[in-house]
Amino acid sequence: DTEVTQTPKHLVMGMTNKKSLKCEQHMGHRAMYWYKQKAKKPPELMFVYSYEKLSINESVPSRFSPECPNSSLLNLHLHALQPEDSALYLCASSQVFKGTGVKYGGGEQYFGPGTRLTVT
Amino acid sequence: AQKVTQAQTEISVVEKEDVTLDCVYETRDTTYYLFWYKQPPSGELVFLIRRNSFDEQNEISGRYSWNFQKSTSSFNFTITASQVVDSAVYFCALSEANTGNQFYFGTGTSLTVIP
Repeated sequence: DTEVTQTPKHLVMGMTNKKSLKCEQHMGHRAMYWYKQKAKKPPELMFVYSYEKLSINESVPSRFSPECPNSSLLNLHLHALQPEDSALYLCASSQVFKGTGVKYGGGEQYFGPGTRLTVT
Repeated sequence: AQKVTQAQTEISVVEKEDVTLDCVYETRDTTYYLFWYKQPPSGELVFLIRRNSFDEQNEISGRYSWNFQKSTSSFNFTITASQVVDSAVYFCALSEANTGNQFYFGTGTSLTVIP
């Protein structure tokens, strides 16, 4: 099973709303990611969780707040967003290949279908 | 500096033609990984292939083939006998051993197959 699920598929929210995006995987992957993708652009990395700990935060504004409750779930809490935050939000997961004290890349990332977010 | 370059922004081919999508990468690591992903209009990124830096063998999977050449830092993707269902944006990506799980995506190539 190489499935990553995301809910909701579409979300429209006002600038004062609070909402959450959810992501789930059951592949036993220990790295999970949030990406933001604007039209005709590649995905931009936002956050990486490795073994349920935040390992990369790409200077994302605090109105985006990630959470990893367990190894299968990843949330992205949204608050006071701006219209320019409208985009496709993609979740992904991958294995983590770990050497002695050093983490190696290499695991292919499996992506969910994304949430199309519109901020009005 | 851009670590992954996909110089072709858009390509159009007629069905059954062969098409090659170019990918050039830049890294100082000796251990790295290269990937291709397909993103159809529905939006989901679909994993196609992973190659590590120690394996330069070319790979074929059905109508898809990949040519990895370290000498030119290229990892090109060829679709043989293209079909309308191949219409999508294709991304090449790189990850390096010393930056762990981080992917560096190219800007993507939008392929349109005309029936």
